[in-house]
Amino acid sequence: AQSVTQPDIHITVSEGASLELRCNYSYGATPYLFWYVQSPGQGLQLLLKYFSGDTLVQGIKGFEAEFKRSQSSFNLRKPSVHWSDAAEYFCAVGNFGNEKLTFGTGTRLTIIP
Amino acid sequence: DSGVTQTPKHLITATGQRVTLRCSPRSGDLSVYWYQQSLDQGLQFLIQYYNGEERAKGNILERFSAQQFPDLHSELNLSSLELGDSALYFCASSVGVGPYEQYFGPGTRLTVT
Repeated sequence: AQSVTQPDIHITVSEGASLELRCNYSYGATPYLFWYVQSPGQGLQLLLKYFSGDTLVQGIKGFEAEFKRSQSSFNLRKPSVHWSDAAEYFCAVGNFGNEKLTFGTGTRLTIIP
Repeated sequence: DSGVTQTPKHLITATGQRVTLRCSPRSGDLSVYWYQQSLDQGLQFLIQYYNGEERAKGNILERFSAQQFPDLHSELNLSSLELGDSALYFCASSVGVGPYEQYFGPGTRLTVT
């Protein structure tokens, strides 16, 4: 069964600093990977996705993620965070044959001035 | 705005009651997913419908049921409500079957008193 681990429950970063949120997945074949962001009281918004091809994918709001098969990871990065990036971030994995997405437990991002 | 609409936004009801949550998917999307999000359980997949047919089932209680209508909108029915059913309920839609990106609605916050 596929699974997703987000090892960091809460991360605090200074505004303007770089960010990396970790995501590890467990699945035998090539996974389909996603990052979502959820602001307080809002639904989840898709940031980016990886299906195949270039392992570095660009998303909205200046985010990018890199798929590393050898490490079973799909970490989310941003070179310089803004106060508006404070939110909960979810990594998700899917694959053909199991049509539902499996979500990680989320990482809450706090931005300090 | 994801294009997925959910009503109502908030719902307060008493234990033992029954409620219906409604979701309209993005134009052109045939799959609808229901999720429950609570502080202790995180984001839990409940059920998926594709073009009117149940496609996948997750951690959905027997007290809960769903359906997708010919116009592709979906309803989630929650009955014999318990305090523990208080949560955010999200609907998401995607273009078809398979691990495609899902677009989430704003959610319905259910409070059971």
